[in-house]
Amino acid sequence: SQQGEEDPQALSIQEGENATMNCSYKTSINNLQWYRQNSGRGLVHLILIRSNEREKHSGRLRVTLDTSKKSSSLLITASRAADTASYFCATFQAGTALIFGKGTTLSVSS
Amino acid sequence: DTAVSQTPKYLVTQMGNDKSIKCEQNLGHDTMYWYKQDSKKFLKIMFSYNNKELIINETVPNRFSPKSPDKAHLNLHINSLELGDSAVYFCASSMGLDTQYFGPGTRLTVL
Repeated sequence: SQQGEEDPQALSIQEGENATMNCSYKTSINNLQWYRQNSGRGLVHLILIRSNEREKHSGRLRVTLDTSKKSSSLLITASRAADTASYFCATFQAGTALIFGKGTTLSVSS
Repeated sequence: DTAVSQTPKYLVTQMGNDKSIKCEQNLGHDTMYWYKQDSKKFLKIMFSYNNKELIINETVPNRFSPKSPDKAHLNLHINSLELGDSAVYFCASSMGLDTQYFGPGTRLTVL
């Protein structure tokens, strides 16, 4: 069953701009994770935010989590062409495995 | 230095054949997973093993059989391959509920 739903499905921006992707989910979670997938490659873990955390930073990435709204956002600041990839949110509940959303395809042009 | 490795990277085979995909992790993790990513990039969990014990078995045809000879390995055997099995299969590992580390994927094409 699908848990996370990313929005937008596709995003095109210029280098230097910020990119914001949103994720909504349906049930309670232990943590929410964001992954990046470059074309034809495996998934790379970006950031994990636990259910008792509201915001987390990692380099140019900022993730927020609102458990009352069951939503999360991923902000990439000062984007680069190398950020072009698909971004997935995935929710984790104890006793289960990660449940992924459909992803947001980000295109950054120079 | 590869953390999670899968072999083969590409697999092209005929319908009805039996094939295996191997996965190994050198991270010392206790939990391993198999995911299937379809042509629309949707990723879905298939199986999860914790300390060699099956803990998650989603609705997957019983033609798919995972085998975990030890904590560092989780192989996937597929019998009587069908066209709909064509996808990219990802292995992953984690320590408990923590971050999952993914392998590079195996692209399976069934002709």
